[in-house]
Amino acid sequence: ETGVTQTPRHLVMGMTNKKSLKCEQHLGHNAMYWYKQSAKKPLELMFVYNFKEQTENNSVPSRFSPECPNSSHLFLHLHTLQPEDSALYLCASSQDGGVPSYEQYFGPGTRLTVT
Amino acid sequence: LAKTTQPISMDSYEGQEVNITCSHNNIATNDYITWYQQFPSQGPRFIIQGYKTKVTNEVASLFIPADRKSSTLSLPRVSLSDTAVYYCLVGPPGRRALTFGSGTRLQVQP
Repeated sequence: ETGVTQTPRHLVMGMTNKKSLKCEQHLGHNAMYWYKQSAKKPLELMFVYNFKEQTENNSVPSRFSPECPNSSHLFLHLHTLQPEDSALYLCASSQDGGVPSYEQYFGPGTRLTVT
Repeated sequence: LAKTTQPISMDSYEGQEVNITCSHNNIATNDYITWYQQFPSQGPRFIIQGYKTKVTNEVASLFIPADRKSSTLSLPRVSLSDTAVYYCLVGPPGRRALTFGSGTRLQVQP
């Protein structure tokens, strides 16, 4: 247990569906992240939030819409996805100014399959 | 960010010491070196971080030569449960955006 939970753990959706991924961190951190990990590809950073403000959007298509209502919760809203969006979606959190730096705590991920 | 190069895969046997080397020729003066471990279908887990010389914790040791152009993650007496992908990351402190490469896939055999 890393203190970061994600739901659901598995999701199958059609290309016309709308669904949301949820992430919650119980560590008191002030930064949260979404990453995408496709088969046989490196982790790709998607979004970064710091104190509920989006600080980085890594050229992610608009069919992925993040929401961060507070520093403990992060959502990823999905709509009209493509089969190539099937991947493991990972949420992470960190504390700015924490020591050591670069220490992010990852959740277990949501395995998404788009049919 | 400094580019990193690691072996794609390594094999070992239980009880052996495993050393995974990462090259980062363009490392900047204020960059730190960080290693993560990832098991299948799980998120990565921070293992160790260092700036120079040697750092040791309960999981691993990190050796960094004086020129800092490479680093070596050392796992003492590996077990089957150490089978995972190991990532080397290089960057300045305070940067939130981690860039993961392809990592090194370590397979530990009985």
